[in-house]
Amino acid sequence: EIVLTQSPGTLSLSPGERATLSCRASQSVSSSYLAWYQQKPGQAPRVLIYGASSRATGIPDRFSGSGSGTDFTLTISRLEPEDFAVYYCQQYGSSRWTFGQGTKVEIK
Amino acid sequence: QVQLVESGGGVVQPGGSLRLSCAASGFTFSSYGLHWVRQAPGKGLEWVTFIRYGGDIKYYADSVKGRFTISRDNSKNTLYLQMNSLRAEDTAVYYCARSFRGVVGEWFDPWGQGTLVTVSS
Repeated sequence: EIVLTQSPGTLSLSPGERATLSCRASQSVSSSYLAWYQQKPGQAPRVLIYGASSRATGIPDRFSGSGSGTDFTLTISRLEPEDFAVYYCQQYGSSRWTFGQGTKVEIK
Repeated sequence: QVQLVESGGGVVQPGGSLRLSCAASGFTFSSYGLHWVRQAPGKGLEWVTFIRYGGDIKYYADSVKGRFTISRDNSKNTLYLQMNSLRAEDTAVYYCARSFRGVVGEWFDPWGQGTLVTVSS
């Protein structure tokens, strides 16, 4: 099973700053099957990025994804107040889906 | 609009059983695979199980294999999760999510609002 490790665990930033979230896989992941989700307290997750770098419908362009192989990155170019949340990466391979443990982006 | 609504959660004793339902609307239910994903209190997301659009192919996480069964009724636009031999570590919010496959890749979208299952004596 592919294990996804996200870092850092918590990111303390101010609105307007840039956020860089990392997702590292224990073995190579097809970029087509790497996605990022945002979850706010008391809400279900929602997809932000699929195929490692494609923004989902309605997602602002301040969110971008990049990477390949075992290293993937979610970047939020300028944090808005509504962006403070937990972010998860997720992959599919060999009839298994796995999530990273999450990165919390909190207000500094 | 596309919507998934879970129900059936509650409190159950260790070793007990529970069946969750997920009612879908706003899309052609029989054309999509579906997942159950769970989230223990204060923890991250854990994929539980998947069923293909026709119901013929199912996959399970090792943590639930042999205890949980996923099924669907395409005539009722409803997904199910039968949970047997429940353990304290199964306590979580259970989400259903549609498997959306695009030109590039596959992802979970949308998600239901979740239903809480608590396993406790």
